[in-house]
Amino acid sequence: AQSVTQLDSHVSVSEGTPVLLRCNYSSSYSPSLFWYVQHPNKGLQLLLKYTSAATLVKGINGFEAEFKKSETSFHLTKPSAHMSDAAEYFCVVTLGMGTDKLIFGTGTRLQVFP
Amino acid sequence: DGGITQSPKYLFRKEGQNVTLSCEQNLNHDAMYWYRQDPGQGLRLIYYSQIVNDFQKGDIAEGYSVSREKKESFPLTVTSAQKNPTAFYLCASSIKGASGQYFGPGTRLTVT
Repeated sequence: AQSVTQLDSHVSVSEGTPVLLRCNYSSSYSPSLFWYVQHPNKGLQLLLKYTSAATLVKGINGFEAEFKKSETSFHLTKPSAHMSDAAEYFCVVTLGMGTDKLIFGTGTRLQVFP
Repeated sequence: DGGITQSPKYLFRKEGQNVTLSCEQNLNHDAMYWYRQDPGQGLRLIYYSQIVNDFQKGDIAEGYSVSREKKESFPLTVTSAQKNPTAFYLCASSIKGASGQYFGPGTRLTVT
């Protein structure tokens, strides 16, 4: 069965320091993986996606994620945090089986301090 | 501009009333989805539709109903049978092939 675990419910960083949001997945087949961002009272925006091409995926706003099959991880990183990065981040895996159904992690709230 | 619209942004209802949330997309996507989001939780799938005139229950369909009469529209009705309807509701759409889903801005429903 497919599942995704976000290892931290909250992460706090100072502006200008690196960001690391951790995600582990479980899948019985080669998954597609996504990171979404949600600002307060807004919909979700797709940051980046992995679909079995390059293992290092670059997304919007300077974020990137690396697919590591041996570690079943898909951590999200950014070299330098900006105040506008403060939001909720969701790691997501596809259910597969011929659908685009998604399985969501419980989210990581990123706080950025000046 | 292409995208997904949800209306209204905020909705207030009295307990015991049915309420319908609107979702429209002009992305020409075949599949559409409804999710519910509660504080501190991830998104939970209510219903989804992969083609017009067909839809399937998600993980928490009880107390909800949908229709898919047009490709661009997928309204969700929250019925009086839903025990805890107060939540943030998100609609999404996708093309086939695990390319990811695109989300609307959401509707916050408050039932008192």
